[in-house]
Amino acid sequence: GQSLEQPSEVTAVEGAIVQINCTYQTSGFYGLSWYQQHDGGAPTFLSYNALDGLEETGRFSSFLSRSDSYGYLLLQELQMKDSASYFCAVRTGFQKLVFGTGTRLLVSP
Amino acid sequence: NAGVTQTPKFQVLKTGQSMTLQCAQDMNHNSMYWYRQDPGMGLRLIYYSASEGTTDKGEVPNGYNVSRLNKREFSLRLESAAPSQTSVYFCASRDPGELFFGEGSRLTVL
Repeated sequence: GQSLEQPSEVTAVEGAIVQINCTYQTSGFYGLSWYQQHDGGAPTFLSYNALDGLEETGRFSSFLSRSDSYGYLLLQELQMKDSASYFCAVRTGFQKLVFGTGTRLLVSP
Repeated sequence: NAGVTQTPKFQVLKTGQSMTLQCAQDMNHNSMYWYRQDPGMGLRLIYYSASEGTTDKGEVPNGYNVSRLNKREFSLRLESAAPSQTSVYFCASRDPGELFFGEGSRLTVL
């Protein structure tokens, strides 16, 4: 079976740094993606890691360790607009993407 | 550039009724997907189509059928709706790196 684990909720204050972890057990692995979803909206792509290491895109960074079946999303200089749900997703095959259950991030002033 | 367009955005059905969710993309992507999202369950893959003329089952295909009408369009059909199919349905298309999602179709089955 496929299993992706993320914390259900994380809280932080504006300007802080927060890390959202994802551990996975899947039958195949081609890469780890992160998506953001605001309430009532569609998921939007944030990052993709196929190889071990850190990928940085502006205030967001994503890390992957394939040997540990682990990754994280790092959000820096938090803003109120970052309040949303964040999903990790594993490409288990050429076409298939399996999503975690999501982490709700609440940013307070 | 519209991206991925889904219709309808909202629908209420009675148990046993049928309906089709429509999806179209204008990004010339080969792959298209249907996901459902339930509270606390994340996104679960129903069906996908790697290219025009092909479809494959995902994690939760029971109770659904799909048609890849052409490269642009991928429809999802509920033949006999059940309350367990109350959900938000997302269509997506993929370029090699990422999925592009539509705005979702909110379906309630009474």
